[in-house]
Amino acid sequence: DAEITQSPRHKITETGRQVTLACHQTWNHNNMFWYRQDLGHGLRLIHYSYGVQDTNKGEVSDGYSVSRSNTEDLPLTLESAASSQTSVYFCASSEGLRDTQYFGPGTRLTVL
Amino acid sequence: EDKVVQSPLSLVVHEGDTVTLNCSYEVTNFRSLLWYKQEKKAPTFLFMLTSSGIEKKSGRLSSILDKKELFSILNITATQTGDSAVYLCAVGYSNYQLIWGAGTKLIIKP
Repeated sequence: DAEITQSPRHKITETGRQVTLACHQTWNHNNMFWYRQDLGHGLRLIHYSYGVQDTNKGEVSDGYSVSRSNTEDLPLTLESAASSQTSVYFCASSEGLRDTQYFGPGTRLTVL
Repeated sequence: EDKVVQSPLSLVVHEGDTVTLNCSYEVTNFRSLLWYKQEKKAPTFLFMLTSSGIEKKSGRLSSILDKKELFSILNITATQTGDSAVYLCAVGYSNYQLIWGAGTKLIIKP
C-alpha cells in the first residue's frame, strides 16, 4: 500500500545544531508540504513543493530549508535549531491537481 | 487576510448525543473545504466539499457546505467515545494549498 513516512519519530537536539527531518512518500504525488503544529496555532505551513527541483516558502519558513531531488522525498532542514522550533512536524502530500492532503505520522522535535 | 474559523474550540458531550461543529471561512479563490479528524497522531481525511447544499455522508458523520454564507458544518450522530478527537477544517484555494482552522476539540464522555 502507498504511504507517507517520517523519520525520526522523536528527536531531541541542542540549540545551534543542524537537524534534518526526513519525509518519504510512495503515493507518487507531485505536491509535498511541511507543517508544524503547536498548541494555539494549529497547522502552519513551513515549505512546500510542486515537483522535482521546485520549492517554495510557506508562512513560517525562517530557519528552515527543503530540497526536492526526486518525487518521493522532501527533507526538512533546520539550519541552526532554536528552542522556538520545538514542535510536532508533519509532512503531507497531494496529487497534482487535488486539494486532499495525506499526512505522515509526524516527528516530535525538542530543542534544548 | 484569508482565514478559517472553527467553533466551538472545545466541546464535551455524552455518548449517544449528536454534535454539530462549525467552520466559517473568508478565502480568496476558494476551491474546496475539507474536514479532518486528528486523534493523538496525524490528521486523517474525512470529507471534501466543493458544491453548496450537497451533503457528504460516511456512517454517523455528515457534512454540508454553504458557499453563499461561507460556512460548513460537520454533524456526528449517536456519538461514541472513539469520536473523541480534534476535528480540523481546511480550505483549499487556488494553488493547492490549504488554510487551516485551529480545530474543535471534541470529548465524548461515556
